[in-house]
Amino acid sequence: DAGVIQSPRHEVTEMGQEVTLRCKPISGHNSLFWYRQTMMRGLELLIYFNNNVPIDDSGMPEDRFSAKMPNASFSTLKIQPSEPRDSAVYFCASSFEVYSPLHFGNGTRLTVT
Amino acid sequence: AQTVTQSQPEMSVQEAETVTLSCTYDTSESDYYLFWYKQPPSRQMILVIRQEAYKQQNATENRFSVNFQKAAKSFSLKISDSQLGDAAMYFCAYRSVGQGGSEKLVFGKGTKLTVNP
Repeated sequence: DAGVIQSPRHEVTEMGQEVTLRCKPISGHNSLFWYRQTMMRGLELLIYFNNNVPIDDSGMPEDRFSAKMPNASFSTLKIQPSEPRDSAVYFCASSFEVYSPLHFGNGTRLTVT
Repeated sequence: AQTVTQSQPEMSVQEAETVTLSCTYDTSESDYYLFWYKQPPSRQMILVIRQEAYKQQNATENRFSVNFQKAAKSFSLKISDSQLGDAAMYFCAYRSVGQGGSEKLVFGKGTKLTVNP
């Protein structure tokens, strides 16, 4: 199994630009999570999906953030327009059932200048 | 809402010695899961160990074991025979099994473990 695959690994963009982060969960997993990690706030859950349906998006910072999961094998997190305070590492994770641990991708380090 | 607290921002241990990382959590639920994740400088999140709340027996994985005290809402991680490769950030995490889609994983702020040769 290839694990959770995230792309890109690094992203540098200018303030105001649109950023799209991508995630391919492990095949067969039915839950997908987007986390953001910063030094100040640690690991924050942004949104999670169950069977491709968004269940809890209360962690999405504001309307500039949006996430989609059009099918079981792909999800995107979009920031438009991006701001310097969005700079962080964004993780995608998936799991099979509620009792199983989350498997994380390697993260995308986003830098907004 | 559930919260997870790791009171030790940093810890250090001598190689081959034992170290214990602390974690407490707050919940009103009776059934849940607890995890310890390790994050080395490569930033990969690696599962170390997990504990089901309904199990009284403490989980163990080779040199890693937990001390789960449900009444005290405490979930500490013990690393025996510490190795240089154990140096990393360690995160304690709580996962609800509640209804209505509340199965999200809540993390503590982490403990940075240094292993001295």
